[in-house]
Amino acid sequence: TQLLEQSPQFLSIQEGENLTVYCNSSSVFSSLQWYRQEPGEGPVLLVTVVTGGEVKKLKRLTFQFGDARKDSSLHITAAQTGDTGLYLCVIDNYGQNFVFGPGTRLSVLP
Amino acid sequence: DTGVSQNPRHKITKRGQNVTFRCDPISEHNRLYWYRQTLGQGPEFLTYFQNEAQLEKSRLLSDRFSAERPKGSFSTLEIQRTEQGDSAMYLCASSPGTASGTEAFFGQGTRLTVV
Repeated sequence: TQLLEQSPQFLSIQEGENLTVYCNSSSVFSSLQWYRQEPGEGPVLLVTVVTGGEVKKLKRLTFQFGDARKDSSLHITAAQTGDTGLYLCVIDNYGQNFVFGPGTRLSVLP
Repeated sequence: DTGVSQNPRHKITKRGQNVTFRCDPISEHNRLYWYRQTLGQGPEFLTYFQNEAQLEKSRLLSDRFSAERPKGSFSTLEIQRTEQGDSAMYLCASSPGTASGTEAFFGQGTRLTVV
């Protein structure tokens, strides 16, 4: 069974600050997705990373997949209040189910 | 196609009653997943279907829970004799296939409150 850890569990920052959240697995996985979830809503897909060392950018968000494909990071530049939410990393368990990490709850204060 | 649709969005029921939720996946997606999410936690896998076949069930899916996808399109999740511990957000997701790197698209969830 693959386990996912995310850190930090909670993060509260001021608008305009930068932040990085992390996702780590106990073993190699084939691909990883990052989702953002707002209260009372379902998770919304942000990005999928597949190749070790891959970096993807989505406006102010930068996603990195570790070379060994066991970890990933999400960096947000100049955070905005609209970035507030639960950030979930999810691994595709080799075509079986999707395994979620516990999430990082981000609060961006005005 | 407007994405994955779940109904109802909210359900309040008395302990001991049965409830049924419906999920309509994205039309060309052959995989459908059910997850449960409690407050402050990430979603936990319950079960998934490949077309109409239920391929995996989590240990979380007790014998009071049953899921069906009779024609490989929409799915229902039924909870019998609900308990207060069943209170959670029930999320449905669909994905297009089995290749690595495939992505899951989630509905807005059904929030169940058992009183």
